[in-house]
Amino acid sequence: DSGVTQTPKHLITATGQRVTLRCSPRSGDLSVYWYQQSLDQGLQFLIQYYNGEERAKGNILERFSAQQFPDLHSELNLSSLELGDSALYFCASSVGPGGEAFFGQGTRLTVV
Amino acid sequence: GENVEQHPSTLSVQEGDSAVIKCTYSDSASNYFPWYKQELGKRPQLIIDIRSNVGEKKDQRIAVTLNKTAKHFSLHITETQPEDSAVYFCAASIEGATNKLIFGTGTLLAVQP
Repeated sequence: DSGVTQTPKHLITATGQRVTLRCSPRSGDLSVYWYQQSLDQGLQFLIQYYNGEERAKGNILERFSAQQFPDLHSELNLSSLELGDSALYFCASSVGPGGEAFFGQGTRLTVV
Repeated sequence: GENVEQHPSTLSVQEGDSAVIKCTYSDSASNYFPWYKQELGKRPQLIIDIRSNVGEKKDQRIAVTLNKTAKHFSLHITETQPEDSAVYFCAASIEGATNKLIFGTGTLLAVQP
């Protein structure tokens, strides 16, 4: 157990819908990262938050957004879902802008 | 832009043999290079990492080497065992700035008993 908790573990939804993925970082970790893993794309960096503020952005679609709350948990919102958004979404956390990143068990999103 | 290339994409070895996976990064500011192991359906887990002020690091059967000039780093696994079978990802980041990990495309390692 990495100490990073993601909910839900599985999510099945229809095209056009909106979903929210939740991540609780390890106790004391200020940085939260979101990654998308699909079969043909590997692990793609989406976005990073550090102590409540956006720190870095990757190839995140405009239909996707995220935020980190005062208690440091983070949510990734995916809207207008398309079949191609089906993937495993990982959250990771680290103490600061450095050091080992610990991954959660992921949320498997299936868009039908 | 930032990019990490990883080779080979698949690697099959006999138990007891060595395995080598190579990565190349593009951003010369990168200073932190972790390696993650991911078993099927599970989360990536860190197995070893190296920082740019070090050329080599070992941990039992696993070693990583870094050539900053060439922007190459490699993972070496000796005396492979069936439980080493997994997908291995290299990554590069800039510690102290964002630490966002840019991953390679992964290597599927199969260790044949």
